Order: sequence, then structure tokens, then C-alpha cells
Amino acid sequence: GAVVSQHPSWVICKSGTSVKIECRSLDFQATTMFWYRQFPKQSLMLMATSNEGSKATYEQGVEKDKFLINHASLTLSTLTVTSAHPEDSSFYICSARDQSLGFNQPQHFGDGTRLSIL
Amino acid sequence: AQKVTQAQTEISVVEKEDVTLDCVYETRDTTYYLFWYKQPPSGELVFLIRRNSFDEQNEISGRYSWNFQKSTSSFNFTITASQVVDSAVYFCALSGRLTGGFKTIFGAGTRLFVKA
Repeated sequence: GAVVSQHPSWVICKSGTSVKIECRSLDFQATTMFWYRQFPKQSLMLMATSNEGSKATYEQGVEKDKFLINHASLTLSTLTVTSAHPEDSSFYICSARDQSLGFNQPQHFGDGTRLSIL
Repeated sequence: AQKVTQAQTEISVVEKEDVTLDCVYETRDTTYYLFWYKQPPSGELVFLIRRNSFDEQNEISGRYSWNFQKSTSSFNFTITASQVVDSAVYFCALSGRLTGGFKTIFGAGTRLFVKA
């Protein structure tokens, strides 16, 4: 089945550091990628949607200057948490969909990145 | 409004019991898609099933079965003879044009504990 690789799986860093998370689709073209944030024992909160070659569309309340998203190719999207602070600590999950096959395609998820800011 | 409600926050069963996870959705779309995902303790989300709104056939896959009823806007998920490995959080999700360009809206999730 479709595979999405997310890296790194775990990051611990100091406050003020910028952290980049990569999301790769390994065996399909990810025309659309989604970035989610999940707090403990809560559901997934969509942060932004990105289409290859276009600027990301951010959900209301998500700071685009804080969470930089790049989707430069059909297989790679990156999320950069700039100048991270302890409140940015969370579980970040990417997902990808080949929208060229239709909107009924399921999203395939990466394994997530646990970000801890000290 | 487009919404997915999973009223059961946590369910605890003993191994080999059957368990049904409820999902109720709201949408004004005439064409939409429903999904179930599993999130085990390790964190990754696993796709389980997709159902199109115009296909009300129930589906069975091994110990898993899904009951889709448009009349009650429900898409319930049953695990038969549950096993410890079924312990996870299960998310029901909805996608359609009115969710904002076919973005996927997730329910709050149901945490299933299966005890040996």
C-alpha cells in the first residue's frame, strides 16, 4: 500500500531553535499534503494543506510565519517550526493524498514526529 | 456544518468480546466519503476503510465490519472477538466538497482498551 515516510520521529531541542520535519511519499505522487498537530488524548487538528508547487493554505488560528510549509515536489513536503518554544511541543503528523486519482482517495499518514522543546 | 461525532470517549472490553464503535456525521454534501483510521499506542495512523456516500453496502474484513446507514447518518465499526492488539484510538472521518475542498474532518476518537 501507499507509504508515507516522516522524519525525524522524535526531536528534543532548546527553546529558540528552528526544527524541520520532512514528509515523503515513497510510492505515489502526493499532489496534496496535510499537516496535523495532535495534543495528548485529543484528535487531529489540521494545521495546513499544501498542494505541490503552491503556497500552503493555513487553517484559522495557525501562524504561517511560525509554521513554514514547503511542498516543492510531488514526493516531499516540509514543515519548519521556527523559533520553537515549549508551547510548540506536540505530536506533528503529515499525510499525503494523490488527488489526481480523485477526492475519494484516503489520506496516508506518516508515523508522526514528537517534538519536545525544553 | 460538517461534523463527525464519536460519542464514546473510551471503551474497555475483555478479549474475545465484540465491540461497536459509534460514528455519527453531519454534512450538507450529497457526495461525501467516510473513513475509519486506527492509531495504536505507537502513534501512526492506519487507514482501515473508505465508504462512498452512494454505496450503503455494509462491509466485512476479517474481524472488522462496518455498518453505514445514511438514514441515521451513522457509520459504525464493529470488531468481533476483540484481541489485545486491537487496543488503540479509532478515528472516524468525513471528507467532501463542503469540508473545504475535500479536507478530512476527524471525530474526537474512541480509545479502545482490550484486556486479556
